[in-house]
Amino acid sequence: GENVEQHPSTLSVQEGDSAVIKCTYSDSASNYFPWYKQELGKGPQLIIDIRSNVGEKKDQRIAVTLNKTAKHFSLHITETQPEDSAVYFCAAPMDSNYQLIWGAGTKLIIKP
Amino acid sequence: DAGVIQSPRHEVTEMGQEVTLRCKPISGHNSLFWYRQTMMRGLELLIYFNNNVPIDDSGMPEDRFSAKMPNASFSTLKIQPSEPRDSAVYFCASSLGGQLLSQETQYFGPGTRLLVL
Repeated sequence: GENVEQHPSTLSVQEGDSAVIKCTYSDSASNYFPWYKQELGKGPQLIIDIRSNVGEKKDQRIAVTLNKTAKHFSLHITETQPEDSAVYFCAAPMDSNYQLIWGAGTKLIIKP
Repeated sequence: DAGVIQSPRHEVTEMGQEVTLRCKPISGHNSLFWYRQTMMRGLELLIYFNNNVPIDDSGMPEDRFSAKMPNASFSTLKIQPSEPRDSAVYFCASSLGGQLLSQETQYFGPGTRLLVL
C-alpha cells in the first residue's frame, strides 16, 4: 500500500524568505497529490494540488513540483508572511480509490 | 454555504461515559469521512460513507466506536465507553462523491476536541 513521508516536521523561516516542504510516496501508480493547510483550531484546507501529467503548478506565492521518477513532490512558498504560519499536510491516494494517505505534517513558523 | 458543521467543538468527559460527536456535511456532498488527529498518529481515517452507506470502517479502532449516517445531512460518531486514549481531535470531512473520490477536495469541519479524563 501507499506510504507517504513528509519532511521536515518543523520549519522556521524568516518573514519574506522561502519555505520548502517535501514528501515522498511509495506507490508509483499514484497520480494525484494535494497539499492541505491547517491553521490553529481549524480543520485542514486544500491549498493546491497537482496531477501526475504535469511537473509543476503555481498559484500566486505557492507552487507544487512533482518528480515522478524519484517519487517525491514539494510545496514551495515564496515571500512568506505571518499568515503562512500553520501545519501543512501532503497526501497521496491509496489504491482503494477513495482514501488519501496523509503525511505527518510540517509545522511552519514564520519569524517576524 | 456554511461549510461542514461539527458539534460540540469541545467535549470533556470522564472515562466510561458515552460520547457522541455530530457532523453536518456540505449540502450536495455525497461522501463523508470521519478522521481522528493526534500528535502520535497524525490524521487517521476512521470511517467513510458514500450516499449515507458505510463503505469502509476498517479504521475504527475497536467496537467501542460506532458511526451512523441516517440521512444525507447528518452523521454521528459515538464512543461507548470512552477511555483516556480516545482523547484527540475528531474531524468530519465531506466531498462531492464522484468516481475519482481520492482526487476530490475534502472539506473539513472545525473538529471536536475530545478530552477523556
